[in-house]
Amino acid sequence: GEDVEQSLFLSVREGDSSVINCTYTDSSSTYLYWYKQEPGAGLQLLTYIFSNMDMKQDQRLTVLLNKKDKHLSLRIADTQTGDSAIYFCAEGLRSQGNLIFGKGTKLSVKP
Amino acid sequence: GAGVSQSPSNKVTEKGKDVELRCDPISGHTALYWYRQSLGQGLEFLIYFQGNSAPDKSGLPSDRFSAERTGGSVSTLTIQRTQQEDSAVYLCASSLERDRADGYTFGSGTRLTVV
Repeated sequence: GEDVEQSLFLSVREGDSSVINCTYTDSSSTYLYWYKQEPGAGLQLLTYIFSNMDMKQDQRLTVLLNKKDKHLSLRIADTQTGDSAIYFCAEGLRSQGNLIFGKGTKLSVKP
Repeated sequence: GAGVSQSPSNKVTEKGKDVELRCDPISGHTALYWYRQSLGQGLEFLIYFQGNSAPDKSGLPSDRFSAERTGGSVSTLTIQRTQQEDSAVYLCASSLERDRADGYTFGSGTRLTVV
C-alpha cells in the first residue's frame, strides 16, 4: 500500500536553512513533489523531481531523493518569514491517477 | 480561466442538509481531482475525473458523497444528509492530463462547516 510520512512541525530562525523530510513506501513512484500551503489558500507546487534523479536545485530550494531508502527532503536556504507555511510531500504512482500526499509539515520561521 | 476556481469559498450548513460544491478547472485541463483536508489529517483523496468519466471513485467516504463532471469542464461534489464529520476543506485540482510531471493546480478550496 501507499503511505507518505512527514514530521508535523519544524521551527527555524530567519536566515537559517530548513530541512523538511519525507518517507514513502511505494517504490513505483514516477515523480515526487513538494507543495506549499499558506493559510487560507490552496496548495501551490514548489518543485518536483523525477524518480530516477537524486537531486534537483531551484534557487533557494534543494530536493534530495534517496530512492533506496525511499526518503525525500526539501532544503530551503536562507529561510524567510514568508516561508512560514505547511509543506506537503506527494508521490505520483504509475498505477494511479491521483497523487498521494503526506499530512504536511508546518514550518514556523522565527525572526 | 487563469486558475482553478471553487465556490462557495465558505459554506455553513445544518446537519442533515445536502450541499453542492463547485469546481471550475483551468480551461483545457482534462484531469480533475477532489481532495478533502481535515485538521491533522492531511489530504484525503476523494475522486478523480479523466474527461467526464471517473475511473477511480475509491476515495469517496460513503454513498452520501457523489460527484459529476459535465462537458469535460465544471465538476460538482454533492454531499447528501451532511454530518458533522463532513466538516473540512474540500480542495479541487486539475491537470492537463494524468501523469503530468508538473503535477496539479489547486483551487483555494471550499471550507464546509456542518453545525
